[in-house]
Amino acid sequence: AQKITQTQPGMFVQEKEAVTLDCTYDTSDPSYGLFWYKQPSSGEMIFLIYQGSYDQQNATEGRYSLNFQKARKSANLVISASQLGDSAMYFCAMRELGTGNQFYFGTGTSLTVIP
Amino acid sequence: DAEITQSPRHKITETGRQVTLACHQTWNHNNMFWYRQDLGHGLRLIHYSYGVQDTNKGEVSDGYSVSRSNTEDLPLTLESAASSQTSVYFCASSRSASSYNEQFFGPGTRLTVL
Repeated sequence: AQKITQTQPGMFVQEKEAVTLDCTYDTSDPSYGLFWYKQPSSGEMIFLIYQGSYDQQNATEGRYSLNFQKARKSANLVISASQLGDSAMYFCAMRELGTGNQFYFGTGTSLTVIP
Repeated sequence: DAEITQSPRHKITETGRQVTLACHQTWNHNNMFWYRQDLGHGLRLIHYSYGVQDTNKGEVSDGYSVSRSNTEDLPLTLESAASSQTSVYFCASSRSASSYNEQFFGPGTRLTVL
């Protein structure tokens, strides 16, 4: 079974609107971390936001927030007030404490912000 | 500032040749990782290391090897390059063995095997 599933290959959003990128995960480890990375067309991987499995509050970093629903095993990324520079690939990833700290990545979602 | 670098950034080679991709980090991180990125597959783990002299196979390790002789470097070697190994390769590092430590990525190496 896939550890990380991103079901939206491509998404479009109007500039200044909010957008939600979906991510579901599969683990039986009680201790894990969830991460989102952005990959612009230039190719580098940029860390955006982290959510720990024991965190009570949803993580926020500026315009990025993580909608963490533990029972549903989902960790959706919400980008508020989209900007043209947000156009990029977005990857969800998980790190489990119990499996040697490997990172598991989803296949990514391509976001295009329309002016 | 601490960083992670990869060299070369672009490489074209021929089938059957041995190729080594370099990765160097100055964060003094114990954990280092190599991924390949292909369209439709996201990032797939090739090899990883939790410290000097430690190496482990990832999901797609066939045809690749790594060695860790110091903390800063984890070179990736393609023993006999194949066209199926044409890809973008990313090196990453992270701090201690905790689930909350994010990975820091290098800029990537685009490898073409002809």
